[in-house]
Amino acid sequence: NAGVTQTPKFQVLKTGQSMTLQCAQDMNHEYMSWYRQDPGMGLRLIHYSVGAGITDQGEVPNGYNVSRSTTEDFPLRLLSAAPSQTSVYFCASSYSGGTPEQFFGPGTRLTVL
Amino acid sequence: QKEVEQDPGPLSVPEGAIVSLNCTYSNSAFQYFMWYRQYSRKGPELLMYTYSSGNKEDGRFTAQVDKSSKYISLFIRDSQPSDSATYLCAIFTGNQFYFGTGTSLTVIP
Repeated sequence: NAGVTQTPKFQVLKTGQSMTLQCAQDMNHEYMSWYRQDPGMGLRLIHYSVGAGITDQGEVPNGYNVSRSTTEDFPLRLLSAAPSQTSVYFCASSYSGGTPEQFFGPGTRLTVL
Repeated sequence: QKEVEQDPGPLSVPEGAIVSLNCTYSNSAFQYFMWYRQYSRKGPELLMYTYSSGNKEDGRFTAQVDKSSKYISLFIRDSQPSDSATYLCAIFTGNQFYFGTGTSLTVIP
């Protein structure tokens, strides 16, 4: 199993550009989530999904969109990038919404100029 | 008030020392408490979790929850240089996870 994979590993955007961060898992996990990690702020939940077709907002959802058309994939879209979105983004998955055992991807380092 | 608070450190100890990492949480209804380890430029990995209160031991690592004071701890015995990492505490509400800011630990050979 590859576990949780994320692409790209690094990305530089200009203010106002849009892009999609990809996340995939091959463990047949129902629950997937996106976090951003900033110095001094820890991991903050952006959006999460408890299954295909179901998504919900986390702590910091503004400026981000998600959709979940398959169990395996959970892309995160930045609609109009801003410098405040410079961060490291992690995708995570777990077997179901009721278990605390989350598996994290390797992260995407995003810089918005 | 944040759901979980953690002292960011940094913490530096000699090899072989006992390390104590601590967090406080806000809601007495929380039931799942986790500890993650994150190496530099890597994703967090789950070390262990406890449900409700009490202790849980896994090798050199012991997680402890004190629900009366809303305090969670991770103890590392016989610390090794390979334990040098950032340790994050987290709570799980049933559908959302909340993380502490992480404590950076360096174990000096």
